[in-house]
Amino acid sequence: EEQVVESGGGLVQPGGSLRLSCAASGFTFNNYWMSWVRQAPGKGLEWVAHIKEDGNEKNYIDSVKGRFTISRDNTRNIVLLQMTGLSVDDTGVYFCARERVLRDFWSGDVRYSWFDPWGQGTLVTVSS
Amino acid sequence: DIQLTQSPSSLSASVGERVIISCRASQNISSNLNWYQQKPGRAPRILIYGVSTLQSGVPYRFSGSGSGTDFTLTIKSLQPEDFQTYYCQQGYSTPRTFGRGTKVEIK
Repeated sequence: EEQVVESGGGLVQPGGSLRLSCAASGFTFNNYWMSWVRQAPGKGLEWVAHIKEDGNEKNYIDSVKGRFTISRDNTRNIVLLQMTGLSVDDTGVYFCARERVLRDFWSGDVRYSWFDPWGQGTLVTVSS
Repeated sequence: DIQLTQSPSSLSASVGERVIISCRASQNISSNLNWYQQKPGRAPRILIYGVSTLQSGVPYRFSGSGSGTDFTLTIKSLQPEDFQTYYCQQGYSTPRTFGRGTKVEIK
């Protein structure tokens, strides 16, 4: 079964740091981009960051740039999210998800990109 | 960044009714539009990718259509387990973005 499992959430004070981990299994991990998506309490989904198969390309939403760092270890099939300078606005459930891609057969260009599977999420609470 | 405007934000419907949810992109995203279902306290699950391709195991009462900037998710005949929240998402560019969600409630 293809799955991802997050860990590392918890309660942290504003300005503090936390490292989330996502363990993947059941698929060839180094063939996929991996993403983190978060959901504030009672709110919608917000993509946070993703990392390329080989770890050489990373992208973030503007609100976490300079504070969050995504990384991966393809020998251990894990993806990490190091979070620093946390604020109350970072509170929420953080989901790890594999990014699936369907490419055009001839050009190799990405035609579709979607998230599947998702982990169950890990709760990050930033509060004093 | 590409904004996705989902409507309505919530709706009430009865079992057996047809429901249509709309998602409008702020710019052309070709066919790179996906739909997810989320139950309370659970992770989202993919329903449809690439506008209209049903994920394996998703019932045929779900369908998607559209291209460019305007997309719809249709649930042909609502079942009790369909009263959840639905999100559209674009994979066309970074940052990936989601619509704000549509909560489908029992009338």
